[in-house]
Amino acid sequence: GENVEQHPSTLSVQEGDSAVIKCTYSDSASNYFPWYKQELGKGPQLIIDIRSNVGEKKDQRIAVTLNKTAKHFSLHITETQPEDSAVYFCAALTPLIKAAGNKLTFGGGTRVLVKP
Amino acid sequence: KAGVTQTPRYLIKTRGQQVTLSCSPISGHRSVSWYQQTPGQGLQFLFEYFSETQRNKGNFPGRFSGRQFSNSRSEMNVSTLELGDSALYLCASSAKGQGASGANVLTFGAGSRLTVL
Repeated sequence: GENVEQHPSTLSVQEGDSAVIKCTYSDSASNYFPWYKQELGKGPQLIIDIRSNVGEKKDQRIAVTLNKTAKHFSLHITETQPEDSAVYFCAALTPLIKAAGNKLTFGGGTRVLVKP
Repeated sequence: KAGVTQTPRYLIKTRGQQVTLSCSPISGHRSVSWYQQTPGQGLQFLFEYFSETQRNKGNFPGRFSGRQFSNSRSEMNVSTLELGDSALYLCASSAKGQGASGANVLTFGAGSRLTVL
């Protein structure tokens, strides 16, 4: 099955600097890659996603890039702010062969701390 | 519109007991997925229900079960609780489920934190 690895597990940056989180996936059939942000006491919230037919997508201070050949995708946060402090999860959606539907596999998460 | 609602938010059980968790999806969403979140294992997929049918299942023992009602509300049950079942159980809903292209966005609830003593 699909395996998603996420690095780093923790990331500390100074306010205003950029943060980059990288994920690799194993199944070339995966075709959708969302990123979720989880704040303390809350469930994960979708912040940006990218489909396999797109190489890059940007939404204000966050951007995601996808390299299908290398099977990796990255989240970039520019001009970080203290409210960006949270746990971030990448995920990959893979069509199932023997069952109906797809399956979403999550990376292990990155705890981001933005220091003021 | 209202988000995904999970109840209860917190609960404490002892080993051997059973527990039932509830999830009300966003209105109009027909798919409900359940995940277990622990510090060591991250987010692990339990199962997905769509139109009252279990469509996908993760690698969890049979003690973990679920169901979905005609109004799309879902429950999951864990029987014979073990200490290792202590976790945050997250429910997520989507319009068409993980099985449809173009509508795979999952919206998560805040979770039910289960502590097994």
